[in-house]
Amino acid sequence: NAGVTQTPKFRVLKTGQSMTLLCAQDMNHEYMYWYRQDPGMGLRLIHYSVGEGTTAKGEVPDGYNVSRLKKQNFLLGLESAAPSQTSVYFCASSYGRTGAYGYTFGSGTRLTVV
Amino acid sequence: GENVEQHPSTLSVQEGDSAVIKCTYSDSASNYFPWYKQELGKRPQLIIDIRSNVGEKKDQRIAVTLNKTAKHFSLHITETQPEDSAVYFCAASKGGYQKVTFGIGTKLQVIP
Repeated sequence: NAGVTQTPKFRVLKTGQSMTLLCAQDMNHEYMYWYRQDPGMGLRLIHYSVGEGTTAKGEVPDGYNVSRLKKQNFLLGLESAAPSQTSVYFCASSYGRTGAYGYTFGSGTRLTVV
Repeated sequence: GENVEQHPSTLSVQEGDSAVIKCTYSDSASNYFPWYKQELGKRPQLIIDIRSNVGEKKDQRIAVTLNKTAKHFSLHITETQPEDSAVYFCAASKGGYQKVTFGIGTKLQVIP
């Protein structure tokens, strides 16, 4: 099992460029999440999904869009990148059933916007 | 919404000593409290969790305690080893798909 796979691992964007981060999980998990991690601010939820075809806003959704067309994939899009979006992005998934709430995280994407 | 406060932000202990990290939460409806360990440059990994119907849970050298009345929970690591050096995050949620709110993390350094 690969678990949760994120691509790409690193990316440098110019201000105003767009990009899509891909998260794929092979654990048949219901719930998927996108977090950003910044120094001194912990992990903050951007968007999440409770099932195929559903998405919802998290704590810091502005400037991001998401889609979950297939249960195993959760895409995070930046339409017009800004330097404030420089961060490490983590995707996570959880089974969501009783007793299985813990997250499995991907390895992260380090994004720099110049 | 939920607010999770975590302290200390950094903690240095001698190898073999114990380490304690404390967290408080604001939403009395929260009932699931996981702890994650993140080694440098790696992904966070779940190390232990506790639900609101349990006061304490142990797994080898790590334990978590929960005081629902005071709305605080703690991670205890005994007989610390250099490989315990990492950033530890506490978190709280209402379970299921409810979003998890993380603390800001504690950087633990175990000095050999």
